Amino acid sequence: EPEVTQTPSHQVTQMGQEVILRCVPISNHLYFYWYRQILGQKVEFLVSFYNNEISEKSEIFDDQFSVERPDGSNFTLKIRSTKLEDSAMYFCASRKEGQYNQPQHFGDGTRLSIL
Amino acid sequence: KQEVTQIPAALSVPEGENLVLNCSFTDSAIYNLQWFRQDPGKGLTSLLLIQSSQREQTSGRLNASLDKSSGRSTLYIAASQPGDSATYLCAVNFGNEKLTFGTGTRLTIIP
Repeated sequence: EPEVTQTPSHQVTQMGQEVILRCVPISNHLYFYWYRQILGQKVEFLVSFYNNEISEKSEIFDDQFSVERPDGSNFTLKIRSTKLEDSAMYFCASRKEGQYNQPQHFGDGTRLSIL
Repeated sequence: KQEVTQIPAALSVPEGENLVLNCSFTDSAIYNLQWFRQDPGKGLTSLLLIQSSQREQTSGRLNASLDKSSGRSTLYIAASQPGDSATYLCAVNFGNEKLTFGTGTRLTIIP
């Protein structure tokens, strides 16, 4: 069964450094998402992306964050200047075309540790 | 504010028993509700998606129900097995692009 693939599985970065998290969504999916989960807390929505633009973003997704679909297969999340509180598990998700009646499929996540 | 709540936070059940996990949400105007399973340190595996027009959805030993008017969903697991041990998350689509998650119920099946 097709899967959402995320790399790396674990990223350790010094505070203030830039980090790029990578995702390969399921190939025939057109809607893409990033979520994060701080240890012990709820999974939180960050951003949704469709037709090469952001369709919705949360308050968390400030100017330090950006997303990009650089080619036909990858979907990336960039954090420009990381802070300690950015330490979390970051999940990428994708879903098929259609109204909201299609499930979102999640990757295994990237654990981001900011030192 | 649109919120999703899951109680209890943890549940232990002897192997072979049937069990019910609960999810409640504050706004009855939902598009759909999705149940996920999360193993420790792993991603989210989609179990069932139930549309706002549906009352229930079944997959194998799993059955999800939805009662919009009361703001509740349940996930019924029949004949539980040790491999069912995981955290189960409920997530609601309130009519926009994002899923709003509950905090999950950590399920332990005792052999």
